[in-house]
Amino acid sequence: GEDVEQSLFLSVREGDSSVINCTYTDSSSTYLYWYKQEPGAGLQLLTYIFSNMDMKQDQRLTVLLNKKDKHLSLRIADTQTGDSAIYFCAESIDNSGNTPLVFGKGTRLSVIA
Amino acid sequence: DTGVSQNPRHKITKRGQNVTFRCDPISEHNRLYWYRQTLGQGPEFLTYFQNEAQLEKSRLLSDRFSAERPKGSFSTLEIQRTEQGDSAMYLCASSLAGGFNEQFFGPGTRLTVL
Repeated sequence: GEDVEQSLFLSVREGDSSVINCTYTDSSSTYLYWYKQEPGAGLQLLTYIFSNMDMKQDQRLTVLLNKKDKHLSLRIADTQTGDSAIYFCAESIDNSGNTPLVFGKGTRLSVIA
Repeated sequence: DTGVSQNPRHKITKRGQNVTFRCDPISEHNRLYWYRQTLGQGPEFLTYFQNEAQLEKSRLLSDRFSAERPKGSFSTLEIQRTEQGDSAMYLCASSLAGGFNEQFFGPGTRLTVL
């Protein structure tokens, strides 16, 4: 079955870049996602990338996709204390963009002022 | 507020009791999903609906769990004979069907089984 792996913790200084990495197993995944979870708040979709893309940039966020290695990364430029949260990588369970998701365990990002 | 709402937000129950949670999706969304999240883990898919039809159930959904969406709007998730291992955050999400459509998540119902 599908599996998504992430490192559990990342600590960066305010103003530095953060890079959160993820590996996935299902090569048929058409969409890959990054979600953010803050304490007491619901999951929020940050960005997603279609499998025929290598890179997607959205303001401070850059997503890189290496399909050969099944590796996905999220770079946050100029990290702020408000970026402190848990970040989840996710893939769809089939090749459409509108089906249940398989999530990683999440990477807890701590931003040090 | 027109987001996904879930009730109750917190539920404490004794082992062996039955509990029921409710999810109200975004009004025009025809797909509704249930996930479960335990401490230190990512959300795990339980089941989902398109309108009133239950399209898929995860192996995680034991016989003690049942979900309904009788009129294709709100949904309920019932757990019978709760066990301590059922303690988790139960998340609901909704989306439109067809193509790529973002799943919007509710705040969750935190269940504690004593």
